[in-house]
Amino acid sequence: DIQLTQSPSFLSASIGDRVTITCRASQVVSDYLAWYQQRPGKAPNLLIYAASTLQGAVPSRFTGSGFGTEFTLTISSLQPEDFGTYYCQQYQTYPRVTFGQGTRLEIK
Amino acid sequence: EEHLDESGGALVQPGGSLRLSCAASEFSISSNYMSWVRQAPGKGLEWVSVIYGDRTTYYADSVRGRFTISRDNDKNTMYLQMNNLRAEDTAVYYCVRDERWSRYHYYMDVWGKGTTVSVSS
Repeated sequence: DIQLTQSPSFLSASIGDRVTITCRASQVVSDYLAWYQQRPGKAPNLLIYAASTLQGAVPSRFTGSGFGTEFTLTISSLQPEDFGTYYCQQYQTYPRVTFGQGTRLEIK
Repeated sequence: EEHLDESGGALVQPGGSLRLSCAASEFSISSNYMSWVRQAPGKGLEWVSVIYGDRTTYYADSVRGRFTISRDNDKNTMYLQMNNLRAEDTAVYYCVRDERWSRYHYYMDVWGKGTTVSVSS
């Protein structure tokens, strides 16, 4: 299985801050990588797929980048509704997809 | 707007069985790849199973031989039959639509709200 390691595991930031989360894959996944946001008690919500393509109505302050084994999710200006846990997911090995362990984002 | 609605979660004893349902609206499950993903309390996300449009199925090693995924096209509903349940199966189970990116690669674009399965004596 391809392992995904996210860093940091926990992040506390202020409104307006620029925030970056990193996801490293144990093997090359090309650009078959997605990012999800999960608010407490809610289902995950797709933010980005194909490493950098924004889903639907996701705000443009979210940006994804990377290829191969290293990826980043950046929030350019943190908003109150951005709290929650963020997961990366690889689908290079679909259907046996795997997720990162999550990064919990707290708003100061 | 596409929507998924899971049901069937419950408290069950170890060794017991349960069937989860996932009703889809505003799209047809028969023409989509559909997955189950679970999340143990306080833990991350784990893929469980998928059913393709042609009814081909795959399972995670942790559930193979105990869980069965299926669907009823007329009811536009997907199921997960879970047998011989273990404590480690305790989780919120999400029904998910897989969206095609390329011939062999799909990402998960629509998620249900989840249904809770607790396995305990």
